[in-house]
Amino acid sequence: AQSVTQLDSQVPVFEEAPVELRCNYSSSVSVYLFWYVQYPNQGLQLLLKYLSGSTLVKGINGFEAEFNKSQTSFHLRKPSVHISDTAEYFCAVSEGNTPLVFGKGTRLSVIA
Amino acid sequence: EAGVVQSPRYKIIEKKQPVAFWCNPISGHNTLYWYLQNLGQGPELLIRYENEEAVDDSQLPKDRFSAERLKGVDSTLKIQPAELGDSAVYLCASSPRSIAGGASNEQFFGPGTRLTVL
Repeated sequence: AQSVTQLDSQVPVFEEAPVELRCNYSSSVSVYLFWYVQYPNQGLQLLLKYLSGSTLVKGINGFEAEFNKSQTSFHLRKPSVHISDTAEYFCAVSEGNTPLVFGKGTRLSVIA
Repeated sequence: EAGVVQSPRYKIIEKKQPVAFWCNPISGHNTLYWYLQNLGQGPELLIRYENEEAVDDSQLPKDRFSAERLKGVDSTLKIQPAELGDSAVYLCASSPRSIAGGASNEQFFGPGTRLTVL
């Protein structure tokens, strides 16, 4: 069965500093990987996704993630964060035509 | 293009009362999902529809929860009777059918309904 582990429940970072949010998954087959962002009192918005091809995926708002099959990881990065990036970030995995399995989320707090 | 619409956005009820949530997916999306999101947790799937057929309802507590998707468009999720532990955000999502015929993996989420059971 597939599962997702987000290693950090909270990540505080100063504005304009780089950030990495970690995600590891468990699956016995090929997977599709996603990062979603959730702002307060809102639904989830897709940041980026890996379906196939290049392992470095670029998304919206300057975020990118790298799929590492050998380490079963899909870490999210941004070189310089803004106050507006403060939100909850969820990593999710799907095995083909199956529902998403989400991690517990990482709360990113950007400090001015 | 309009996104996934959910109503109400907030609902406060007393325990043992019934409650219903409504979802209108993005036009043309065949697959519809209901998720439960507890505070500080990621969403967990309750039920998935392919058109009007519930293809995965294994996580739906059928003693008190029910759902329907008449005509394969809008969907309603009901709880009867509600319990204190049902307080959470209920998210609806939809996804299109991929060119290959299988459901696309990208899901589009609505804003959710925040339920508080007193």
